[in-house]
Amino acid sequence: GAVVSQHPSRVICKSGTSVKIECRSLDFQATTMFWYRQFPKQSLMLMATSNEGSKATYEQGVEKDKFLINHASLTLSTLTVTSAHPEDSSFYICSAPGQGMVGETQYFGPGTRLLVL
Amino acid sequence: QKEVEQNSGPLSVPEGAIASLNCTYSDRGSQSFFWYRQYSGKSPELIMFIYSNGDKEDGRFTAQLNKASQYVSLLIRDSQPSDSATYLCTLSGGYNKLIFGAGTRLAVHP
Repeated sequence: GAVVSQHPSRVICKSGTSVKIECRSLDFQATTMFWYRQFPKQSLMLMATSNEGSKATYEQGVEKDKFLINHASLTLSTLTVTSAHPEDSSFYICSAPGQGMVGETQYFGPGTRLLVL
Repeated sequence: QKEVEQNSGPLSVPEGAIASLNCTYSDRGSQSFFWYRQYSGKSPELIMFIYSNGDKEDGRFTAQLNKASQYVSLLIRDSQPSDSATYLCTLSGGYNKLIFGAGTRLAVHP
């Protein structure tokens, strides 16, 4: 099946620094990717839709200037958490829809655990 | 706004028993429903999807959909300790988006 990778898998940073997370579709092209955030014991919350060749679409309440998304190619989307603070510590997961399937199959990356000190 | 409601659990069942996981959803127009399993510290993995009213079986798993009652369930037969995880009831929010419920934690004990 299709594979989505994320890098890094775990990152610890100091408050005020920026952190970049990469999401790659390894054997298929993804014009759209999704970024989710999951706090402990809570469900996944969609943050934004990353669109290749155009601006990302952010969900209500998500600060676009804080969570910068760049869909650089058909296989790569990046999420940059700017000026990270401890409250940004979370599990960040990306996904990409399977080709030709509307909502049927989403391939999830393994997630990136961010800890801001 | 589309919402998915699940009991957070934990639902504790003995090994070999049937585990029954349920959820309700708010948008009567929702068409596509999914059950994802998430192990602690891992990303979700798709267990089943269902679009039509009735039952859909895949191995030990049966998904049930009742659109009139806006109710979705997942039955796991012959539960195994390896089934212990959080199960996320999910529906399609359009444009390939997924809307997740809070998840039900299942614990299968030997």
